[in-house]
Amino acid sequence: DSGVTQTPKHLITATGQRVTLRCSPRSGDLSVYWYQQSLDQGLQFLIQYYNGEERAKGNILERFSAQQFPDLHSELNLSSLELGDSALYFCASSGGLMRNEQFFGPGTRLTVL
Amino acid sequence: EDQVTQSPEALRLQEGESSSLNCSYTVSGLRGLFWYRQDPGKGPEFLFTLYSAGEEKEKERLKATLTKKESFLHITAPKPEDSATYLCAVQATDNAGNMLTFGGGTRLMVKP
Repeated sequence: DSGVTQTPKHLITATGQRVTLRCSPRSGDLSVYWYQQSLDQGLQFLIQYYNGEERAKGNILERFSAQQFPDLHSELNLSSLELGDSALYFCASSGGLMRNEQFFGPGTRLTVL
Repeated sequence: EDQVTQSPEALRLQEGESSSLNCSYTVSGLRGLFWYRQDPGKGPEFLFTLYSAGEEKEKERLKATLTKKESFLHITAPKPEDSATYLCAVQATDNAGNMLTFGGGTRLMVKP
């Protein structure tokens, strides 16, 4: 158990819908990262927040957005869902900005029908 | 652009048959190289961080090494419970955050 929690574990929805994925980092960690894992693309970095502020952005679609709240939990919002958005979405956390290991949560499996 | 290539894509071993997994990387400046283990449908589990060429880290049957171009994960006398996908990732010095760039992974299967 990494100490990172994610809800829900599974999510099944239809194209065009909007969903919210939630992540709670390890106790004391200030950074939260979101990654997408699909069969053809592997693990891809989406976005990072540090202590409530956006820190870095990867190839995140404009239909996707995220935020980190004062209690440090984070939410990833996915809208206008397409079939190709079906994937595992992982949240990771780390303690600081420099050279710190990232610990991953169990993931949310999103299926878009 | 940072790139990570892992080989082989899949590896079948008999229990007790030692082998190595390769991770080749291209990065402008290396902040750290990370190894993770991932079981099907689960989140990656952190194994090692290597920071500079020549560094080695060990944990049970696993040993990770680093050169300026690649890293190896050596598995000594593997057991069936070592079966998993092993992921390599790099963290570059020139990115504002600490994003990881992952390779495609090596799927290891250890037969009893």
